[in-house]
Amino acid sequence: GESVGLHLPTLSVQEGDNSIINCAYSNSASDYFIWYKQESGKGPQFIIDIRSNMDKRQGQRVTVLLNKTVKHLSLQIAATQPGDSAVYFCAENTGSGNTGKLIFGQGTTLQVKP
Amino acid sequence: DGGITQSPKYLFRKEGQNVTLSCEQNLNHDAMYWYRQDPGQGLRLIYYSQIVNDFQKGDIAEGYSVSREKKESFPLTVTSAQKNPTAFYLCASSIMRGNQPQHFGDGTRLSIL
Repeated sequence: GESVGLHLPTLSVQEGDNSIINCAYSNSASDYFIWYKQESGKGPQFIIDIRSNMDKRQGQRVTVLLNKTVKHLSLQIAATQPGDSAVYFCAENTGSGNTGKLIFGQGTTLQVKP
Repeated sequence: DGGITQSPKYLFRKEGQNVTLSCEQNLNHDAMYWYRQDPGQGLRLIYYSQIVNDFQKGDIAEGYSVSREKKESFPLTVTSAQKNPTAFYLCASSIMRGNQPQHFGDGTRLSIL
């Protein structure tokens, strides 16, 4: 069945270090992937997205890598700051028609130590 | 500012009571979605709507109902048939053309009295 999962529930990093958050997906038909950041008591906030015809996309301090061979997605955050502390979710659009439906992973909590 | 507004932020339900959660967007998005989030969990889709006067069940629609009478509004009713309604409810919207991200409101936390 379809599933999106994250490898680690919690990631703890030192301020200033780079963070890498991983995500595995199981549906090879998925053609669009999104990373969201969710702070406590708030809704998920869009960070960056990538389409299946790309393997890398960069934003401000963030990079998303897509490896379709092993169905793996990662989010890299450069020079992690205390404000980056949050839960990060990956989501996939399985490409089953243009419904816009997304499947979300369980989330990884990023803790930034000062 | 354009965005998605959910209200109220906190809501309490008595046993046997139906409650309605509001979601309004001024982004001119075609599609709207309702998710449920339980502590330490990801988001699960309750209902979604791609156009006015049409909506589809998501993965956990039982005990919930929706309407889409206006493009801007997609209210969710949690009925008394939903036996475990305590959760964080999130509304989202998106453009339907091509692959586009969903944009979220700040949620409504529903608790049982």
